[in-house]
Amino acid sequence: QKEVEQNSGPLSVPEGAIASLNCTYSDRVSQSFFWYRQYSGKSPELIMSIYSNGDKEDGRFTAQLNKASQYVSLLIRDSQPSDSATYLCAVNSGGYQKVTFGTGTKLQVIP
Amino acid sequence: GAVVSQHPSWVICKSGTSVKIECRSLDFQATTMFWYRQFPKQSLMLMATSNEGSKATYEQGVEKDKFLINHASLTLSTLTVTSAHPEDSSFYICSDHSGQSTDTQYFGPGTRLTVL
Repeated sequence: QKEVEQNSGPLSVPEGAIASLNCTYSDRVSQSFFWYRQYSGKSPELIMSIYSNGDKEDGRFTAQLNKASQYVSLLIRDSQPSDSATYLCAVNSGGYQKVTFGTGTKLQVIP
Repeated sequence: GAVVSQHPSWVICKSGTSVKIECRSLDFQATTMFWYRQFPKQSLMLMATSNEGSKATYEQGVEKDKFLINHASLTLSTLTVTSAHPEDSSFYICSDHSGQSTDTQYFGPGTRLTVL
């Protein structure tokens, strides 16, 4: 069974700090990786996607992928209270275009 | 990214009644859409894959006769919860994907169903 694992948290960081969110996956043939942010009572919104090893930066967000170690991470620089949410890691192994979601990590940014 | 709408955003119904939720892909034609359910403080659970012009594919444990899915056009998929019961109360979210090899999924705003 394909699994995507995340620490449920909560992860608490002070405002302005770097938040580091981690995710591991079990299916070695996974090809596409996504980070979604979900505020309480809302649906997930896409933050970043990454497909190849290394870092991908978009504003304050950096996604890191290491296929050999089967992990993907999300760094949030200069964390803001508005970043407080649950972050979902999602992995797609290709084929049917269906992603598997982790259970999410709750992030709390303390003002 | 893709724009997906859902209607209604919330609904309250009596036990035993049926509820229809609409999911629309607003900016491109989606041959495939996905329906998820999320209980409080739990992660998304895929219920079914909606295929335009053909039968939906249901995940294991999801009753296809209870959760009726219709994908009659390239922009609209509907989920009907038949004979709803309190345990069906949940947050229902649909998504489509970009149609490209990147497999990105974009979610609708969700429908909060409360069955009394």
